[in-house]
Amino acid sequence: AQTVTQSQPEMSVQEAETVTLSCTYDTSESDYYLFWYKQPPSRQMILVIRQEAYKQQNATENRFSVNFQKAAKSFSLKISDSQLGDAAMYFCAYRTPGAGSYQLTFGKGTKLSVIP
Amino acid sequence: DAGVIQSPRHEVTEMGQEVTLRCKPISGHNSLFWYRQTMMRGLELLIYFNNNVPIDDSGMPEDRFSAKMPNASFSTLKIQPSEPRDSAVYFCASSLSRDNSGANVLTFGAGSRLTVL
Repeated sequence: AQTVTQSQPEMSVQEAETVTLSCTYDTSESDYYLFWYKQPPSRQMILVIRQEAYKQQNATENRFSVNFQKAAKSFSLKISDSQLGDAAMYFCAYRTPGAGSYQLTFGKGTKLSVIP
Repeated sequence: DAGVIQSPRHEVTEMGQEVTLRCKPISGHNSLFWYRQTMMRGLELLIYFNNNVPIDDSGMPEDRFSAKMPNASFSTLKIQPSEPRDSAVYFCASSLSRDNSGANVLTFGAGSRLTVL
């Protein structure tokens, strides 16, 4: 079974600084998708960024970028120029294509605090 | 689009009572998911519907839990009778699944926080 591990329960960053959240996963598949979701205090889960495993280029979305290391099964999220609104729980998630592709496996999350 | 709409936002009930959570997915989405979030277990998939048909309900904890999707724009998750250990945040999510590529993105509702006393 696939597992997703986020080893940092909590992180903090100074406003305007850069922070990296770690995520590792375990799979025997070669083709899959990885996601980062943000859950602010409002509770709603919001997609931050998505990465296809067959793409070597790291995905970026404005201030958010990933460092995808397929061989190491690592998928870290970098937040640049951190803003107060970035404070939230961040969840890494994994999905394989195929018949079970509806299954999204989540990590336990990292709580990010942004210090003004 | 108003996004995925869930109600109620908060529910406090007493043990033994029936609880019904409601979800309106995004118009045009053909897949609907119910998740449960707790501190101990994180996010767990309870049930998955595709084109209003339940495809995988293996995550439903026990017979006290049931889910329905009578049409493409409405789903319910019912707990009867409720127990304190059911206290959690319940999320509904929807997506447009064209194939089994796994590329489709889930859009989540704001969740329903259930407290069973």
